[in-house]
Parts: sequence; C-alpha cells; structure tokens
Amino acid sequence: QSALTQPPSASGSPGQSVTISCTGTSSDVGGYNFVSWYQQHPGKAPKLMIYEVNKRPSGVPDRFSGSKSGNTASLTVSGLQAEDETDYYCSSYAGSNNLLFGGGTKLTVL
Amino acid sequence: EVQLLESGGGLVQPGGSLRLSCAASGFMFSSYAMNWVRQAPGKGLEWVSVISGSADSTNYADSVRGRFTISRDNSKNTLYLQMNSLRAEDTAVYYCAKAPYSSGCYWIDYWGQGTLVTVSS
Repeated sequence: QSALTQPPSASGSPGQSVTISCTGTSSDVGGYNFVSWYQQHPGKAPKLMIYEVNKRPSGVPDRFSGSKSGNTASLTVSGLQAEDETDYYCSSYAGSNNLLFGGGTKLTVL
Repeated sequence: EVQLLESGGGLVQPGGSLRLSCAASGFMFSSYAMNWVRQAPGKGLEWVSVISGSADSTNYADSVRGRFTISRDNSKNTLYLQMNSLRAEDTAVYYCAKAPYSSGCYWIDYWGQGTLVTVSS
C-alpha cells in the first residue's frame, strides 16, 4: 500500500486559517472513518490532534478541526499562532489491520 | 498518566539483530493494542507493526514482514520488537505507540519518545 498524499508545505499568516489535505483511496481514507492527524515538533514524538475524521482529544484547541470528502481528508487550523508552526501527518486505517501515514506537511506561520 | 519508554536502540551492522523494548505505565496495558511506528532521519512516519491486547493477533508492514516480530508480556507491561536481518533502510527512530482499542490499528492516542536504531557497517 502507498503512503497517503499530503502537500509538502503549507503556510498562513497569524490569525488566518490554513487547510492541509490528505489524499488516499477508497481502500483507506474513503473506506473508513478512521482518519487521524498528528502534530510533530522537531525532535519530539508525534501528538494526536484529530481522530475519527473530526474528533478532538481533550486538551487540543478547538482551532484544530478535521473533515473528509470522498478519498480526501483535511485538517484546518484556524486563528493561526506561531506555536502551530511545525510538521503535521495524516493517517488512515487501510483495512486488514494496516495503518497508513501521509508523507507530512510542514506548516509555516508567516 | 500514560507513559511509554522505549529502550534497546543502537548501532548494528547490516544483517544483524536487535530487540527493542517498551515499558508501559499509567493504563491497563493488556486491554489495548500496541504498535511500533518508525521514522527515518528527516523522513515521515511509517507504521511497522501491531499486536492486540491479548497478543492473539499481529500484523506487519510489507517492508518488515518475515524479518521483524512483535510480542508483548502483559505481566510485565512491556512491548517488544525483535528485528532480524537488519538493512540500512531500517535506520530510524522507532516509536512505541498505544492504540485506543484492544485490537486493530485504527489510530494512535499515545506515543513514546522513541529509540534510535542505526544500521551501518
């Protein structure tokens, strides 16, 4: 199975909104509501930001939201803050006990 | 508080073996599936393997199937990854990662800090 497709980079100014896409197939993103998103600062472990397409774990700001349409999932960060500048990865269940990750997107706050 | 602490990483020659361990605390270990996820230097995340809470089900990425073996000791709250026939492309930080359910690898709710494995002569 191939990795999910994410844009290598995304950017936005403080206070603005930015959306990061994650494209898969009907066998993964499109076939299951098990899309998740992770934030990873340099040298640190990933942190869960969104699970099951649009659910936020306790402690994650509501500025982070998720959605899905067909084979493409999206992470939207609203009211961008300097601390949001880092790497983001999407993931999807791919059936038969397999998990796929995207290649990652580096978010820059201008 | 969920804590996952990996150990066992290091430098190994191509063709060699290494066993990683992950000590878990802060949750009922036997009730949750566990995963290994790796990240090559400067690269993205790659799922490696999953084991169910009761250890009756496992699965592997194609890139490691037949070379790596995942296991767990619920009496010791510890997850393992036995890595054999190591290749240069296995060089990565290996993360121990907890799943939110007793079986399946639908998503990951907690991650360890990782242990670095370097395969080089």
